[in-house]
Amino acid sequence: QKEVEQDPGPLSVPEGAIVSLNCTYSNSAFQYFMWYRQYSRKGPELLMYTYSSGNKEDGRFTAQVDKSSKYISLFIRDSQPSDSATYLCAMSVTTSGTYKYIFGTGTRLKVLA
Amino acid sequence: EPEVTQTPSHQVTQMGQEVILRCVPISNHLYFYWYRQILGQKVEFLVSFYNNEISEKSEIFDDQFSVERPDGSNFTLKIRSTKLEDSAMYFCASSGDSSGNTIYFGEGSWLTVV
Repeated sequence: QKEVEQDPGPLSVPEGAIVSLNCTYSNSAFQYFMWYRQYSRKGPELLMYTYSSGNKEDGRFTAQVDKSSKYISLFIRDSQPSDSATYLCAMSVTTSGTYKYIFGTGTRLKVLA
Repeated sequence: EPEVTQTPSHQVTQMGQEVILRCVPISNHLYFYWYRQILGQKVEFLVSFYNNEISEKSEIFDDQFSVERPDGSNFTLKIRSTKLEDSAMYFCASSGDSSGNTIYFGEGSWLTVV
């Protein structure tokens, strides 16, 4: 079983739709949960991070963590064509005093105008 | 806003040649990383670096790879004898502390081995 599982998509939605992106994980030692947005041939851009179970909101984005189910989600409200990108979940675990970040495969999102 | 910068943005090299990818992490950051992303695949951890030494490395980071912080600002990844399968986007990243939450990535160096 992979440490982090993410549906690669592609996911196509009309402009204005609510988008739900999800990841599951197997390692209960993961401590921080992050979402990155990556445009084609660009570096991952940090969108949000969370530590505990529950919701965290930032503008149109809501990150949700359910540690008991080992499941995290990112919701995008009022999606825009500019949201079209690949969304990567990432989780961190501490090893040797530093953190290692494990990424999902990324979900490709296309928001249609 | 501070950012991680990488050079070159794109390099084409012949198989067997040495390549050095350069990174300037965010100035007050202490932890440095290299990641790799083969086209269409996931972002993969290569190595982490702290206090002038490697903290952890993945199985991908074999003897062909090395990292160095030659001065107070640069962080380099060297591939000694490139192979075709080394073709990928290489991302440098840095974080300020070991809190584990905010790691910032550069724009990447696209390496093509022919």
